[in-house]
Amino acid sequence: EAQVTQNPRYLITVTGKKLTVTCSQNMNHEYMSWYRQDPGLGLRQIYYSMNVEVTDKGDVPEGYKVSRKEKRNFPLILESPSPNQTSLYFCASSPLAGVSYEQYFGPGTRLTVT
Amino acid sequence: AQSVTQLDSQVPVFEEAPVELRCNYSSSVSVYLFWYVQYPNQGLQLLLKYLSGSTLVESINGFEAEFNKSQTSFHLRKPSVHISDTAEYFCAIRLGDYKLSFGAGTTVTVRA
Repeated sequence: EAQVTQNPRYLITVTGKKLTVTCSQNMNHEYMSWYRQDPGLGLRQIYYSMNVEVTDKGDVPEGYKVSRKEKRNFPLILESPSPNQTSLYFCASSPLAGVSYEQYFGPGTRLTVT
Repeated sequence: AQSVTQLDSQVPVFEEAPVELRCNYSSSVSVYLFWYVQYPNQGLQLLLKYLSGSTLVESINGFEAEFNKSQTSFHLRKPSVHISDTAEYFCAIRLGDYKLSFGAGTTVTVRA
């Protein structure tokens, strides 16, 4: 089944404790992206990647890091989480070729930083 | 800059009644517009999209949206909703090559 998976789905942590949220897709997509969803703000892009070893900042990159060492994986790293990073996070992927322009989303990771 | 604005944050509606979710866009170039749906505790799924051609686009579950260039709108409609349509709906516009910019979302609550 074609899908984007994220782990963990739920995470409660404390301020300053480094964490990684994993994202993996099995559709051989070149493009991958991380979003955070906050009430009343919709989805805002954190980082994106056009291919292996190619990453760039989105609209709200402060406090986050990413890497793209393999095509299928795009982990989101919070080196020193803070309470304002409490949010619902989504990973998405899409192919660069074709005209669909559809992005496929993972199920989300709900992060709480206390 | 290209962006979308969803005009309603919450839309309560009774089962079998019609619903319209309003989305206005801002763009000075050709636009590609999308509606995504997020069911409770799930990720986003593409509902329908406008890329070019017919200005009326339909989804498989009875929703339709009309691209109106003069009104700069892409409103989503369904003539008769079901309880299962309870969800959050996001309008989005494609920026540049692959980036999407999302509206703030509209929560639809269908009541019996």
